[in-house]
Amino acid sequence: LAKTTQPISMDSYEGQEVNITCSHNNIATNDYITWYQQFPSQGPRFIIQGYKTKVTNEVASLFIPADRKSSTLSLPRVSLSDTAVYYCLALFYGQNFVFGPGTRLSVLP
Amino acid sequence: AAGVIQSPRHLIKEKRETATLKCYPIPRHDTVYWYQQGPGQDPQFLISFYEKMQSDKGSIPDRFSAQQFSDYHSELNMSSLELGDSALYFCASSPRGEGNTQYFGPGTRLTVL
Repeated sequence: LAKTTQPISMDSYEGQEVNITCSHNNIATNDYITWYQQFPSQGPRFIIQGYKTKVTNEVASLFIPADRKSSTLSLPRVSLSDTAVYYCLALFYGQNFVFGPGTRLSVLP
Repeated sequence: AAGVIQSPRHLIKEKRETATLKCYPIPRHDTVYWYQQGPGQDPQFLISFYEKMQSDKGSIPDRFSAQQFSDYHSELNMSSLELGDSALYFCASSPRGEGNTQYFGPGTRLTVL
């Protein structure tokens, strides 16, 4: 079965750029990669979505190579409030929505 | 902007009791999803509805059922509750054709004693 793989945890310092990579095999041709942020005891919050190449919004950038077998979420100049779990979501053929294992980002002062 | 509303926010039940969780999607969103998140775990997809019909089914136990009503709100019915059902239950909604952009509610924390 296809699955997503992310680092379990990452540490960073305030003001640094953080890149979190998600691997996703057998992603469906017409499906998008979406990243979510989740704070403890809160629902996941949409961050960014993309299909291929690069997408940028006011909070993050998303890089997806041509083969679409991975994606990288880039958070510029993180702050303490960016400490959270980050999930990538991909819709696979024949599968329901599957959250990746999640990356626990800790931003240190 | 309006968000997904879930009720109740907290619920305490005893084993073998039943529980009903409600979800009110964002206006004009016609698809609703239910997720279960146990302590320290990732959200697990349970079931989804589109235009009042079940569209996808995940790891939802047979003891659970759900439906979407004509006003697009959804209810998750849980029977014969077990200790292991204690979790956060999230509802999400999405507009038509944007199934990979889901907007999550604040969740219902169910505790089974």
